[in-house]
Formats: sequence, structure tokens, C-alpha cells
Amino acid sequence: LAKTTQPISMDSYEGQEVNITCSHNNIATNDYITWYQQFPSQGPRFIIQGYKTKVTNEVASLFIPADRKSSTLSLPRVSLSDTAVYYCLVGDQAGTALIFGKGTTLSVSS
Amino acid sequence: EAGVTQFPSHSVIEKGQTVTLRCDPISGHDNLYWYRRVMGKEIKFLLHFVKESKQDESGMPNNRFLAERTGGTYSTLKVQPAELEDSGVYFCASSHNEGVDEQYFGPGTRLTVT
Repeated sequence: LAKTTQPISMDSYEGQEVNITCSHNNIATNDYITWYQQFPSQGPRFIIQGYKTKVTNEVASLFIPADRKSSTLSLPRVSLSDTAVYYCLVGDQAGTALIFGKGTTLSVSS
Repeated sequence: EAGVTQFPSHSVIEKGQTVTLRCDPISGHDNLYWYRRVMGKEIKFLLHFVKESKQDESGMPNNRFLAERTGGTYSTLKVQPAELEDSGVYFCASSHNEGVDEQYFGPGTRLTVT
């Protein structure tokens, strides 16, 4: 499975757009890119998943360049409640274990 | 739709004792996973059930850990005997489809071995 590298932490103010970039240089052809969010004392929660180009849902956008060696999770207009750890994961199919890295701790302040 | 539930939320036991953690997946989800995070470390995979069968148990740390999923519904993870290094948060997750699919996590069980 491809290893991922992402910032350890980021700080932001409310209302700002936050972009978290993840590197996955060894991503395989069949791999998808998935982001999970985790609040304290809770289990991780799926945010968004993509294979290439751009994916958008009600929570976030995911930008994936043509070479797929990196991806950027974009959170528009963050609020205090977006303070959490964000994990970038790369894997080829469902029914397999998720490989979590250290994640990016996002702190949003007013 | 009810989410993944885990019981207990927190367990404190002494070294050498036995503890059993329970996970109730989302109804209809064939895939059930156990993960854990020990202090200061990353979340690590333990094992994966497809219905009642163990699909992958490569992450189980040793034979003190026993997971079961009788009938393909809820699952239990027993630690016997517990050691200090077993302390951490144990997460359960479930998913439905064969294809690329998100995993739904429970809130976790915090296990403290003293």
C-alpha cells in the first residue's frame, strides 16, 4: 500500500479556506484516495474519496492532479467545529484494511 | 439508521485479567474491522471479518487476542490475559459493499490495563 505524507498540524481562523496536501508518490493504478476526519473521543469519519481530477461533496473538495502523486483536501470556510485530525489514506479496494498515518491536526480558532 | 456501536466505552482492568469488547456493526454490513490505537501511536488494523469468516487477521498482535463474529452479526474481541501494552483505544468499523466503500467507525472502547 502506498505510504502517505501530510503535515503534522495546521492552524486556521474561522471562515478561512483550509487546504491540506497529502503526498503519495507510490500510489498504484488501482488505488483510491480517501480522507477521514476524527474528533476527540470519536472514531474516524469518512469525508471524501476520489480517483482523479476533482471531487466535491457537501463537506469538502478533493483535488487530485493528473500524476496522482499528491492530493489536496479543501475545507471551505472552516468553523471551530472543524477542529479535528484529518487522515489521508490510499488503498485499492473495499474489504481491505485502512492504513492510517499520523494525520494532520487542524486547529481552528476564532 | 443506527451507527456502529461499541461496548463498553471504557474499561479498566488489572494486568492478567480478561476483557471482552463488543462491536455491533451497522445492520446489513458484511464487513467488520477491528483497529486499535495504543498511546502515542497511529491507528493500526487488527483484523477483518466478512460475515462470520476471518478475511484477514494479519494485524492481530499475538495469541492473547481472540476475535469472533458468530452468526455474522456482532463481534467480540477478547484479550486474555491482558498486558500493560494492550492499553489503548479499540475501534470497530463496518462497511457494506464489495467495491471501494467507506468504513463506518464506532466511538471506540478505551482499555486501560493497570
